[in-house]
Amino acid sequence: DAGITQSPRYKITETGRQVTLMCHQTWSHSYMFWYRQDLGHGLRLIYYSAAADITDKGEVPDGYVVSRSKTENFPLTLESATRSQTSVYFCASSGAGQGLISPLHFGNGTRLTVT
Amino acid sequence: QKEVEQDPGPLSVPEGAIVSLNCTYSNSAFQYFMWYRQYSRKGPELLMYTYSSGNKEDGRFTAQVDKSSKYISLFIRDSQPSDSATYLCAMSAGDSGGGADGLTFGKGTHLIIQP
Repeated sequence: DAGITQSPRYKITETGRQVTLMCHQTWSHSYMFWYRQDLGHGLRLIYYSAAADITDKGEVPDGYVVSRSKTENFPLTLESATRSQTSVYFCASSGAGQGLISPLHFGNGTRLTVT
Repeated sequence: QKEVEQDPGPLSVPEGAIVSLNCTYSNSAFQYFMWYRQYSRKGPELLMYTYSSGNKEDGRFTAQVDKSSKYISLFIRDSQPSDSATYLCAMSAGDSGGGADGLTFGKGTHLIIQP
């Protein structure tokens, strides 16, 4: 089925480790986003991308790295995980472009725990 | 002050009641307003989408935007236990409705409909 898939659904890692969260969408949407969701803060934008090889920082980018070599994939890497990065991470995509208004479609999230 | 304020609840009402969910915001540039519904362990899904001030109705749901007061509302009529979820308001100032540069979210209101 078409959609947006995140993997893994759950991940436990240790402080200082590198971890990569995967996001894959089958809609051929140009725009993709990474949000984190925390109690007391709601959803906050980490990074977003308008197309392959084009990325921009969001509200909370520190400690994260993204890449987008293919339109359908948008991995998020924590280069040296910290406990403050324990969160639920959501990937989203949008078909916006050329004046088209398009809502964000979200995946089901990755729950990351850093011990 | 956060750009978008939303009471986190929980809000508990009996089945069949009319539910009112609200958000206030400070950025007068916001012009697109959305409501997302999020079930436990799932990603947010778009419920309602409005542009500028006014009302929009979709079945049992009505979204209202009052830009002069910087206040938006979501009303749910004849509430059902299946409506129990977290409701997130979201806003965008850009011309793409958030599809190109992301959305600013409220923290979400946890709604419980008692059978």
